[in-house]
Amino acid sequence: DADVTQTPRNRITKTGKRIMLECSQTKGHDRMYWYRQDPGLGLRLIYYSFDVKDINKGEISDGYSVSRQAQAKFSLSLESAIPNQTALYFCATSGTGIVETQYFGPGTRLLVL
Amino acid sequence: GEDVEQSLFLSVREGDSSVINCTYTDSSSTYLYWYKQEPGAGLQLLTYIFSNMDMKQDQRLTVLLNKKDKHLSLRIADTQTGDSAIYFCAERPTGTYKYIFGTGTRLKVLA
Repeated sequence: DADVTQTPRNRITKTGKRIMLECSQTKGHDRMYWYRQDPGLGLRLIYYSFDVKDINKGEISDGYSVSRQAQAKFSLSLESAIPNQTALYFCATSGTGIVETQYFGPGTRLLVL
Repeated sequence: GEDVEQSLFLSVREGDSSVINCTYTDSSSTYLYWYKQEPGAGLQLLTYIFSNMDMKQDQRLTVLLNKKDKHLSLRIADTQTGDSAIYFCAERPTGTYKYIFGTGTRLKVLA
């Protein structure tokens, strides 16, 4: 089984709708992240959480909110989706080792019409 | 500002070496990483290098770090069609647990 899972994998929605993307991990990591990927722009950080009570905005948090329901779960919400939020969304986790690499989920492809 | 730059595309012939370049901006970054993204998948760590190293070799992969110029490169020897993917470099500034990713380089390997 995958260490980091995301649901749904694909979603089409309309402008103004509320959307929630979910992420679960079995790595036991405290740190979790949400990124969006756009062609030519790489990955940009939306929100990150270092534990259940610690949530921080990334570089592009406007229009998004998050919820850390448990150590293993970190959800991203688009309160009122708009077309320029069409992107590939990734959840990631990292541990507390010396190198602290990140482990990524498979991504959610979101299309906002 | 924080900006990690990479060229967007690279095309090589099967069996040749590929060199993917990256320029980062935060000289305090302790760890620098290379990730690979295959179609339809998330990013997977390929290799990393500590900032006190100049070079790291791992089988077909060689990472070179020039701290003075803030330049990182990934060389893939004997490139195969299975190496076709998007490659991201990333830095993690010292004292933070935020990762700054480059724009990604799409490597296409021609048979």
